[in-house]
Formats: sequence, C-alpha cells, structure tokens
Amino acid sequence: KNEVEQSPQNLTAQEGEFITINCSYSVGISALHWLQQHPGGGIVSLFMLSSGKKKHGRLIATINIQEKHSSLHITASHPRDSAVYICAVGSETSGSRLTFGEGTQLTVNP
Amino acid sequence: GAVVSQHPSRVICKSGTSVKIECRSLDFQATTMFWYRQFPKQSLMLMATSNEGSKATYEQGVEKDKFLINHASLTLSTLTVTSAHPEDSSFYICSARGGESYEQYFGPGTRLTVT
Repeated sequence: KNEVEQSPQNLTAQEGEFITINCSYSVGISALHWLQQHPGGGIVSLFMLSSGKKKHGRLIATINIQEKHSSLHITASHPRDSAVYICAVGSETSGSRLTFGEGTQLTVNP
Repeated sequence: GAVVSQHPSRVICKSGTSVKIECRSLDFQATTMFWYRQFPKQSLMLMATSNEGSKATYEQGVEKDKFLINHASLTLSTLTVTSAHPEDSSFYICSARGGESYEQYFGPGTRLTVT
C-alpha cells in the first residue's frame, strides 16, 4: 500500500462542474501539499495545510487529520484547470521531505 | 509567492557528455533544496536533498558520482549529470525551502534528452 493514495486517477468533467480530488495517507504528517502540474511539466504549489481548510479563488483544500484524508475542490471548473493534481505529504519525522501521490489527471471539456 | 527558477528549461546532449542544471531561488534564501526526477506519467522521485554549505544527502539507488549536487550559496544549487546516457533522459525538478517552514517552492523543471 502506498503511503499516499489519490483518487480518482483520471477525471473528465464538463466546464462549470464542481470537482473533488481525494488524497489519503497512512503516516503522521507535518504538512500536506496540493500541487498542480500542467502539460510541459512545471509544478505550481497550490496549498500547504496541516489542519482545517484553505481557499484560494475557485480552489478549496480541506484536511481531516484524524481520518488522514484531504480533498481538493474546484468550483466552476474551466478548461484551463486541466492538469495533473498531485498530493504530497511531509511526514512528522522527515519534515519537508515529501512523499508524492500518483497524481490525478483532470480534463475539463468546454 | 516565492519564485524558483531553473536553467536550462530544455537540453539535448550526446551520450557521454555532462550536463549542468541550475536551480535558483529568486526572492528568498533557500536553506534546503531538493532535486527530483520524473519519468513520463509517473510521480516525482526525490533524488537528493542539499543544505547550503554541506554535502547533499542522496536517496537510496541514486548514484552520487553520477548526479553531482552543489549548493554553494543560499540562492543556487546545481545538479550535474555526468557521462549522461539515454536512460538519464527525464524531467528534472528542483524545489527550495527557506528557514524552518515546511513550504516548498518548485522550479519549472528541466527536460533532459540524451541522444
């Protein structure tokens, strides 16, 4: 079992739909990161959180420490949101050394 | 937010040559930099962690003599792929962390193709 598991692996949505990507992890963590990787490879850090909820524009990230689960939500999705979304956790013991999920390929069709 | 740059963004080299990739933190002092590689349709794999002024810590299975990492200043780390072979073709990404924060800022990546 991977330390970090994401679901779904692939997600196709219509423009305007509400999207949820899930991340479950099995270790105690110091922080959880949500990253976005566009075709061409560059990675953008969307959120870093260790508790509760954060919101930035149409993106919302939540984390439940007891259940070891985080979700990334995109409201009013747009084709430009099409990318791979990656969950990564820093463990309690290794701090900023990250363990990555496999990523979720999101395609938003117009 | 903080900015991390990488240079070059793409490089093609011949088998047997060495290639240097630079990672710079543009607006903060990066006490720790991380180097990752990513194969197509796979997740990032940590290669090594470097702290300014000290030797890099390599992950198991990563050859330190093949992937030379230098972190000589608080804003620059370099990864040199020595005697490159086609199997070294990959996407190399750095990230940087400043101070005690757990936040990491990622560079845009370097696509290496070895012919």
